[in-house]
Amino acid sequence: EIVLTQSPATLSLSPGERATLSCRASQSFGTSLAWYQQKPGQAPRVVIYDASTRATGIPARFSGSASETDFTLTISSLDPEDFAVYYCQQRTNWPPRFTFGQGTRLEI
Amino acid sequence: EAQLVESGGGLIQPGGSLRLSCEVSDFTVSSNYMSWVRQAPGKGLEWVSILYPGGDTYYADFVKGRFTISRDNSKNTLFLQMNSLGAEDTAVYFCARVAAYYYFLHWGLGTLVTVSS
Repeated sequence: EIVLTQSPATLSLSPGERATLSCRASQSFGTSLAWYQQKPGQAPRVVIYDASTRATGIPARFSGSASETDFTLTISSLDPEDFAVYYCQQRTNWPPRFTFGQGTRLEI
Repeated sequence: EAQLVESGGGLIQPGGSLRLSCEVSDFTVSSNYMSWVRQAPGKGLEWVSILYPGGDTYYADFVKGRFTISRDNSKNTLFLQMNSLGAEDTAVYFCARVAAYYYFLHWGLGTLVTVSS
């Protein structure tokens, strides 16, 4: 089973600053990794899939990258609406298993 | 735009059963990979189960035969039958449409299941 470890657990920044969130996989699996944003009381929303493709409606300040087992979500200039919890997620092919990281809380 | 609306949650005693429903609009459940994901209070996201268009089903290890995912094509609705519930199953349960075989594209708002005596 692939384990996804996110860091840091909490990231405290201000609007306008750059945010860099990390997701490290316990073994290589390609680039089928997604990032989600979740605000309190809401369902998660996909922001990045395939490690670096922005989902529909996601602003260009969000970007994703991958290097072997290291995945990064970058928000270039934080908007107040970006403060939320972010999760990374992948799927194991067989048997099908879906794994989430433990989340990074992005706070002001 | 795709809409998913869960229902069926509530307070249930340990050992009890619940059936969650997820009514879908604007796409066809039977043609998509559909999943349940849960979130315990104050905790992270945890995948529960997936139903393939062809009917294959898969579950997280913690399910241990207690849950069954299914669908009603005529109602365009996804279900999760949960039996032998324990306190550890207390969570908000989300249904989700799976895209590209692996990521959760559309989500419902969730339904809260509380297992307590």
